[in-house]
Amino acid sequence: DIQMTQSPSSLSASVGDRVTITCRASQSIGTYLLWHQHKPGKAPKVLIYAASNLQFGVPSRFSGSGSGTDFTLTITSLQPEDVATYYCQQAFSVPYTFGQGTKLEIK
Amino acid sequence: QVQLQQWGAGLLKPSETLSLTCAVSGGPFSGYFWSWIRQSPGKGLEWIGESTPSENTNYNPSLKSRVTISIDRSKSQFSLRVDSVTAADTAVYYCVRGPTGWESHWGPGTLVTVSS
Repeated sequence: DIQMTQSPSSLSASVGDRVTITCRASQSIGTYLLWHQHKPGKAPKVLIYAASNLQFGVPSRFSGSGSGTDFTLTITSLQPEDVATYYCQQAFSVPYTFGQGTKLEIK
Repeated sequence: QVQLQQWGAGLLKPSETLSLTCAVSGGPFSGYFWSWIRQSPGKGLEWIGESTPSENTNYNPSLKSRVTISIDRSKSQFSLRVDSVTAADTAVYYCVRGPTGWESHWGPGTLVTVSS
């Protein structure tokens, strides 16, 4: 199985801050990488697919980058509604695997 | 906008069979991957398995011997069956279109508790 390692596991930032979450795959996955946002009590939601493509309807303050083994999710100006846990996921090969999650809070 | 509605028994005893169904509306059923993913309390996300556009199935080796995913195209539904459940199968179970790309979309989730 491909292991996905996210960092940090938790993060506290202020409204308006730039936030960066990183994800590393245990082997090259090209750009077969998705980012999911999970708010408590709600279904997860896809933010980014193919490493850098913004899902329809997702605010432009979210962006993704990377290829191969190293990937980044960036929020350029943190908003209160961005409080959630963020997961990366590889779609290169089954079993699809997820990072352990990054819990984002407002300072 | 595609919508996924899921249902099934929420409380099971050890050794019973978990059975969940997901109904798809607002979009085509054919041509997509359909997956089940779960999240155990306090833990991360675990992909259980999928039905492919050609109606093949792939399963997570960690669960493969106990899991069956089936499709009913006439009803635009897909189902999950997990045999011989234990407390370790307690989780929120999500039906998902994908998750492989732009088409990925999550259902609302169903909490399944296994307890004697």
